[in-house]
Amino acid sequence: RKEVEQDPGPFNVPEGATVAFNCTYSNSASQSFFWYRQDCRKEPKLLMSVYSSGNEDGRFTAQLNRASQYISLLIRDSKLSDSATYLCVVPRGAGFKTIFGAGTRLFVKA
Amino acid sequence: DGGITQSPKYLFRKEGQNVTLSCEQNLNHDAMYWYRQDPGQGLRLIYYSQIVNDFQKGDIAEGYSVSREKKESFPLTVTSAQKNPTAFYLCASSGTGGFQPQHFGDGTRLSIL
Repeated sequence: RKEVEQDPGPFNVPEGATVAFNCTYSNSASQSFFWYRQDCRKEPKLLMSVYSSGNEDGRFTAQLNRASQYISLLIRDSKLSDSATYLCVVPRGAGFKTIFGAGTRLFVKA
Repeated sequence: DGGITQSPKYLFRKEGQNVTLSCEQNLNHDAMYWYRQDPGQGLRLIYYSQIVNDFQKGDIAEGYSVSREKKESFPLTVTSAQKNPTAFYLCASSGTGGFQPQHFGDGTRLSIL
């Protein structure tokens, strides 16, 4: 299994739809994770942190399933402005090094 | 406002030339990182530093060099030994207490002339 794997996408959804992405990881000792958003030709920006079973921020919900070793990101009521690539980040071993997933591309259409 | 500043935004390298990308942060973060991103690809770690005067190779360090003489600064040199330097280079910083999120600069696009 790769250290981190994401749904390849792209996901094409209409405005108002609910969409979910998954990210699987191999390091069973991982305790916390991040979701980043990256717009085309821009830097990644932190979207959400996931330190326990999950986290919710407005339309965005991140969930962690330790038994199956995956995290998910749920976006409700999609907006055109949600169109971006979503990267999951997991720790690499002990310490502060991280691994970035290759990202899942989302297109929200009017 | 606290943040990370990368310069220049665009850079062109001639064959056989070394070029240096600047990264400065005023977030008081101990850790700093350099990543490379190729079109349609994920981020790959080049070098990282946890503390001043110390740095470690990442996954793709060949053809690159760094220094960490000040906490605020972590410049990356792309040497002539890097045969395929065209990419988007991102600098990041983070705290080192536990697993901290990384904050990114807005990147430098490097191309070969």
